[in-house]
Amino acid sequence: AQTVTQSQPEMSVQEAETVTLSCTYDTSESDYYLFWYKQPPSRQMILVIRQEAYKQQNATENRFSVNFQKAAKSFSLKISDSQLGDAAMYFCAYFSGSARQLTFGSGTQLTVLP
Amino acid sequence: EAQVTQNPRYLITVTGKKLTVTCSQNMNHEYMSWYRQDPGLGLRQIYYSMNVEVTDKGDVPEGYKVSRKEKRNFPLILESPSPNQTSLYFCASSDRGDAWNEQFFGPGTRLTVL
Repeated sequence: AQTVTQSQPEMSVQEAETVTLSCTYDTSESDYYLFWYKQPPSRQMILVIRQEAYKQQNATENRFSVNFQKAAKSFSLKISDSQLGDAAMYFCAYFSGSARQLTFGSGTQLTVLP
Repeated sequence: EAQVTQNPRYLITVTGKKLTVTCSQNMNHEYMSWYRQDPGLGLRQIYYSMNVEVTDKGDVPEGYKVSRKEKRNFPLILESPSPNQTSLYFCASSDRGDAWNEQFFGPGTRLTVL
């Protein structure tokens, strides 16, 4: 079974600064996908960014970008120009192409300081 | 509006009293799944369904049942709830189970079993 590890239960960042959230995963598969989800206080799960394992280029969505290190099995999320609305729980997730299952990490609670 | 709906949003019940949490999607998605979210554990998959009449166990299926008689509905059934099933539950759907297509999450159901 795949495992996803988020080693930072909590992080904080000053508004307008940059923060990086860490995620590592363990797998022997070659066909998989990686995601970052955001969960604000409303509890709604919102997709932030996604990455296909076979793509070497790091995904970017506006102020959000990832650093995908396939050999190291690392998938960190960088948030640039942090805004108050970025405060949320962030989950890293792994999708198995063969098992069709989504496995989540334990989450990182991000606080944005004004 | 494309959405996944869950009912009820909040439920307090007692041990052993059967309950059903409904999930419905209006996007004609083939893939649907249920997750539970617990502090420090992230989201864990309970069951998933690739299509009508096709269901499979996720990581934590014990104590739960599901059915998929119609494409749009995927109810979660707790035949004899116990306090360890107190949790936040999410239903999600996506197209053809393809991870590249975004999984849409419902708003969540907060269940308390006394």
